[in-house]
Amino acid sequence: GENVEQHPSTLSVQEGDSAVIKCTYSDSASNYFPWYKQELGKRPQLIIDIRSNVGEKKDQRIAVTLNKTAKHFSLHITETQPEDSAVYFCAASLGGTSYGKLTFGQGTILTVHP
Amino acid sequence: DTAVSQTPKYLVTQMGNDKSIKCEQNLGHDTMYWYKQDSKKFLKIMFSYNNKELIINETVPNRFSPKSPDKAHLNLHINSLELGDSAVYFCASSQEDRNYEQYFGPGTRLTVT
Repeated sequence: GENVEQHPSTLSVQEGDSAVIKCTYSDSASNYFPWYKQELGKRPQLIIDIRSNVGEKKDQRIAVTLNKTAKHFSLHITETQPEDSAVYFCAASLGGTSYGKLTFGQGTILTVHP
Repeated sequence: DTAVSQTPKYLVTQMGNDKSIKCEQNLGHDTMYWYKQDSKKFLKIMFSYNNKELIINETVPNRFSPKSPDKAHLNLHINSLELGDSAVYFCASSQEDRNYEQYFGPGTRLTVT
């Protein structure tokens, strides 16, 4: 089955710096790669996603890149703010062939210091 | 107008008991899921239902039994609770024609003592 590895497990940055979280996946048939943000005690919330026919997607301060050949994708957060502090999860899915089943990475605890 | 809701939010019970968690979504989605998040925050799928039909059943002890009375509801019943069942259980839903983007419920924190 699919396996997703996520690094780093913890990331500490100063406010205003950029943060990058990287994930690799094992199943070359995976075609959907969402990123979730989970604040303490809250539900995971979808913040951005990318599909296998796109190499990069941006939404304000957040961007995701996908390298299908290398089977890795990354989350980039620019101009970080204290409210960006949370656990971030990457995930991979085979889409319709697996009814959207998500395989998650281990999570990255991001701390943004004011 | 909560999109995906779960009850209860907290559940504290003793080993050996049987308990249920309920999930409802008002998004009109046709697929629903149960995920378990352990103490290390790892999220792992347990089950998925599509239009009331079980389609994903990961390696989960048969003490866990999901039930979907209709496509808006997916409940999780757990028999003979064990200490290792302590975790946060999340329900989620998605729609095929929206490429299965998943929306999570608020979670149920289960503590087995």
